[in-house]
Formats: sequence, structure tokens, C-alpha cells
Amino acid sequence: DGGITQSPKYLFRKEGQNVTLSCEQNLNHDAMYWYRQDPGQGLRLIYYSQIVNDFQKGDIAEGYSVSREKKESFPLTVTSAQKNPTAFYLCASSPELGGGAFFGQGTRLTVV
Amino acid sequence: QKEVEQDPGPLSVPEGAIVSLNCTYSNSAFQYFMWYRQYSRKGPELLMYTYSSGNKEDGRFTAQVDKSSKYISLFIRDSQPSDSATYLCAMSGETSGSRLTFGEGTQLTVNP
Repeated sequence: DGGITQSPKYLFRKEGQNVTLSCEQNLNHDAMYWYRQDPGQGLRLIYYSQIVNDFQKGDIAEGYSVSREKKESFPLTVTSAQKNPTAFYLCASSPELGGGAFFGQGTRLTVV
Repeated sequence: QKEVEQDPGPLSVPEGAIVSLNCTYSNSAFQYFMWYRQYSRKGPELLMYTYSSGNKEDGRFTAQVDKSSKYISLFIRDSQPSDSATYLCAMSGETSGSRLTFGEGTQLTVNP
């Protein structure tokens, strides 16, 4: 099946630890994105990438890092520098400029 | 001021009602307009995609774009309990590359 796969669905992390969220797509899309969703705040862009080996900071990049070594994969690392990491994280991809983005099912990260 | 404004609701309607959801925006460079539906604890699903001004219909859903007023709408005819979800508008333009700007989302409940 074509689509975007995020794993794991639920993730628990201790304070002070880094954690990496996986995002894989088999849609052959060039652009990929990471969003964070908190209650009452909609979707906020963390990082996005338009081509392999290139990515740009979004609106709330502090405390996060990404890589784009393959077209299909765009992992997000939540570092210990992120002060409020508990949130719902969504990965998306789109085929072209201005095209609608398609989302994965999300990873819910909880810091304990 | 946010680039995209969307009333968060909540909006509650009886089954069979016509639902009107709206967003306003301030960036005149936006040319691509989208509506997403998001069920609780799931990723957003692309419902409608339009370019520039005009109407687009798909089954019970109609999207309207009025660029002169910087106003977009989503109409749902014969609403069903299964339409209960959060609806997010999103938009982008050539000057913003492939990144999307989202509204906060409107929470809709359709009561049987």
C-alpha cells in the first residue's frame, strides 16, 4: 500500500534523553515535513525538506534535528534541549510545490 | 496576527444539516487552498484541494475560494455523525515554497 508510515505510534521518554521518530513514505514525493500538534494550537511546522540532503527550519525548530539522506525517509530527533516535548508529532509529504500534503498517523510522545 | 484565522468552535449541528466552515487569511500570495479532516488521535486526511479562486465539489463537500476577500469555505451537505471531526484549512503559495500554513482547526460534532 502507498502511504506514509510513522513509528512508533506511542513513545515514552525519560527527561534528558534524546529520541528519534521514524517517518517513511513510498509515494515518491520530493517534499517532507514534520509538524507538532498541541491542543488548541493547530499544527506547527518543525522542519521541512524539499529534496534529499537539504532541509529547512520551520517555526519551532529549537530542540529538534532532522536528516534527509534518502528520499523515502525523514527521521526527527527530539533532543533533551526541547523544553516541552510531550506532544503529537505528524509527518507529511507532498509531490510538488503547492500540492496538498499527505499525513502519517502520528506519534504520540510522552516525557515521563 | 496569525496568517490564517479559523474559528476553533466547537460547532454542534443535527444530522442532515448543512455545515459551513470558514477561514480567512492575510497573505495575498497564497494560491493553493486545502481542507483536511482529522479524527481524534489520527493524522489529518486531505479532503479538498483547490487552486486560486472558484468552487470545487466532491460528493457532499463543496470548497469555495474568494481571493478578493481572502476567505475560503467548506460546505458539508446532509451532514452525518461520521463527519464529526476537526476540520483544518491549509494554504500555500509560490513564495512560501512547498510549506503549508494551517488554521487552528474547527471541531465539528454532528448529532444523530
